[in-house]
Amino acid sequence: KAGVTQTPRYLIKTRGQQVTLSCSPISGHRSVSWYQQTPGQGLQFLFEYFSETQRNKGNFPGRFSGRQFSNSRSEMNVSTLELGDSALYLCASSLLGEVKTQYFGPGTRLLVL
Amino acid sequence: AQTVTQSQPEMSVQEAETVTLSCTYDTSESDYYLFWYKQPPSRQMILVIRQEAYKQQNATENRFSVNFQKAAKSFSLKISDSQLGDAAMYFCASVLFGNEKLTFGTGTRLTIIP
Repeated sequence: KAGVTQTPRYLIKTRGQQVTLSCSPISGHRSVSWYQQTPGQGLQFLFEYFSETQRNKGNFPGRFSGRQFSNSRSEMNVSTLELGDSALYLCASSLLGEVKTQYFGPGTRLLVL
Repeated sequence: AQTVTQSQPEMSVQEAETVTLSCTYDTSESDYYLFWYKQPPSRQMILVIRQEAYKQQNATENRFSVNFQKAAKSFSLKISDSQLGDAAMYFCASVLFGNEKLTFGTGTRLTIIP
C-alpha cells in the first residue's frame, strides 16, 4: 500500500500570502490529522477530519483551516501568513479501529519570508 | 489535558549496545494508547512501537521494547543491539481512546557511536 503523501514538499511564501497544503491518506484510511512542527513549540495538533467533518481542533488561530473531501484527501489552508507560521506541516492518517495508530506523511516544509 | 515529558534531550550509545529512552505522561483518563515515533533527518515520522494502556504485557517489536509502568505513568523505550540507522529524534506520544489528537513529548535525539 502506498503511504501518506503530501504536496508540495517545500514551499516559500511571503508574509500576508495564503497557502494550501494537500494530504492524501493511505488507501482505506478515513481519518486525517494535521500537525505543526517547529523548533520552539515542538509538535502541535492542528485538526482532525473524518468523513469530511472536523472532529477535533487544536489551539490555533482561525487563519488555519482545513477540509476533507469525499475521497478522504485533505487540505489545510493558512491565510495571512506570518513569519511564525514557518514550520514543517505533517499530515497523518489512521484506520479507525481498536488501536488508533496514525501514519505520517513526509511533511511540507513551509518558509515564510 | 494530557502531557508527555521526555527529560533526556540527547542520548548517545555505542553501536551494538543497548539504550533506554525515558518518557512520562500524565492523564486522568483510563483508556489511552502510547506510542514511540522516530524522526530521522529526512523528517519522516515513523512508528516504532505502540502500547495499549489496558494491556499489562509490554510491547516488543524486534529490537525495540517498552517498559510500561501504568501506575507510575512511565513508558520507556529500550533499543537493543543499536544500529547506525537508529540515529534519529525519538518522540513519545499519547492519545486518548475515542480521540485522534496525539500529544507529543519534546523528543530525545539519539546518536549512535560507531
